[in-house]
Amino acid sequence: DTGVSQDPRHKITKRGQNVTFRCDPISEHNRLYWYRQTLGQGPEFLTYFQNEAQLEKSRLLSDRFSAERPKGSFSTLEIQRTEQGDSAMYLCASSLGDAFKSWNTGELFFGEGSRLTVL
Amino acid sequence: AQRVTQPEKLLSVFKGAPVELKCNYSYSGSPELFWYVQYSRQRLQLLLRHISRESIKGFTADLNKGETSFHLKKPFAQEEDSAMYYCALSGGMNRDDKIIFGKGTRLHILP
Repeated sequence: DTGVSQDPRHKITKRGQNVTFRCDPISEHNRLYWYRQTLGQGPEFLTYFQNEAQLEKSRLLSDRFSAERPKGSFSTLEIQRTEQGDSAMYLCASSLGDAFKSWNTGELFFGEGSRLTVL
Repeated sequence: AQRVTQPEKLLSVFKGAPVELKCNYSYSGSPELFWYVQYSRQRLQLLLRHISRESIKGFTADLNKGETSFHLKKPFAQEEDSAMYYCALSGGMNRDDKIIFGKGTRLHILP
């Protein structure tokens, strides 16, 4: 297992186009997170999953953003009708949560991120 | 609402001098606190968590519930400590256990 992988690593798109990012977590991890990071800022929480269930989506997140984890393994983050303000690094992380207590162990394993540039 | 505040964007310290990276939090329950680190050209990774009460790479952090702080300390800075440091918080065993991050502090160790 090579850790959390994200694809593509870089995406340049024109305003108004749709983009999709994929995240493959560490295989036995049941928790999966998406964060957004802009220059000089910390990772901003977007959404997270416990297996295939989406537990929470940030209220700051526009309806143009949607995430899925259909089989509880890989996840996709789609941004529709991209805007220049969507330009950022999109980070995925996975962790081993306690399936019975829904308790996060706290150690997130991050991917290298997908950098989005909207022209 | 959960919030993590790191007041310093940049901290420059001479090699061999003590380091303290500040972190304050806001959370109504009993949170779990973490420090994550990102070295140049590497992924973000966990440095330490308060429940483990461990020292990693000479760093320690004490949770002060009265002051709602979780400052990261090291008695003698080393050049390899130069990195971005992020304080993070989780609701722990509560339902609201997503992990949120502060804006980060860049630690620059001067030779």
